[in-house]
Amino acid sequence: NAGVTQTPKFQVLKTGQSMTLQCAQDMNHEYMSWYRQDPGMGLRLIHYSVGAGITDQGEVPNGYNVSRSTTEDFPLRLLSAAPSQTSVYFCASSYGLAGGETQYFGPGTRLLVL
Amino acid sequence: QQPVQSPQAVILREGEDAVINCSSSKALYSVHWYRQKHGEAPVFLMILLKGGEQKGHEKISASFNEKKQQSSLYLTASQLSYSGTYFCGTNPGGTSYGKLTFGQGTILTVHP
Repeated sequence: NAGVTQTPKFQVLKTGQSMTLQCAQDMNHEYMSWYRQDPGMGLRLIHYSVGAGITDQGEVPNGYNVSRSTTEDFPLRLLSAAPSQTSVYFCASSYGLAGGETQYFGPGTRLLVL
Repeated sequence: QQPVQSPQAVILREGEDAVINCSSSKALYSVHWYRQKHGEAPVFLMILLKGGEQKGHEKISASFNEKKQQSSLYLTASQLSYSGTYFCGTNPGGTSYGKLTFGQGTILTVHP
């Protein structure tokens, strides 16, 4: 199993550009999430999904869109990049086991918005 | 609301012990602990469930005080490999559905 994979590893954008961060998992997990990590802030939830076709907002959703058409894939779209979106983005997946589920994180995408 | 971790940073010599605390203002169902090495993804350590027992493996263990909404991570006889940033992730009820609220992290440095 490859686990959780993310592409690209690094990306530089100009303000106003759009892009999609890819995330895929091969563990047949129901739940997938996107977090951003900024220095001193820990991990903050952007969006999450409890299954194909079902998504919801997390703590910091503004400026981001998600969709989940398959169990495996959960892309994150930046609509119009801003310097405040410079961050490291982690995708995670887990399966349902009330309270006992483990989140598996991808390697991350480092994004710089100029 | 984000749980609060303390201390923010700790420096140890190999073989010394450390305790990292995680406190929440909300009632919690579970607390999840992760360790992150520099430039890498967070890696799962353990989960503490409401009503559950203290957990641990080898020299890393944790407890969960439901009344205080506080969890503590215990690292004994620290090794160089323990260095990294430790995060607690909290879940207020039942299945988390993949949405944890993380603390700001505690940086642990172990020197020879």
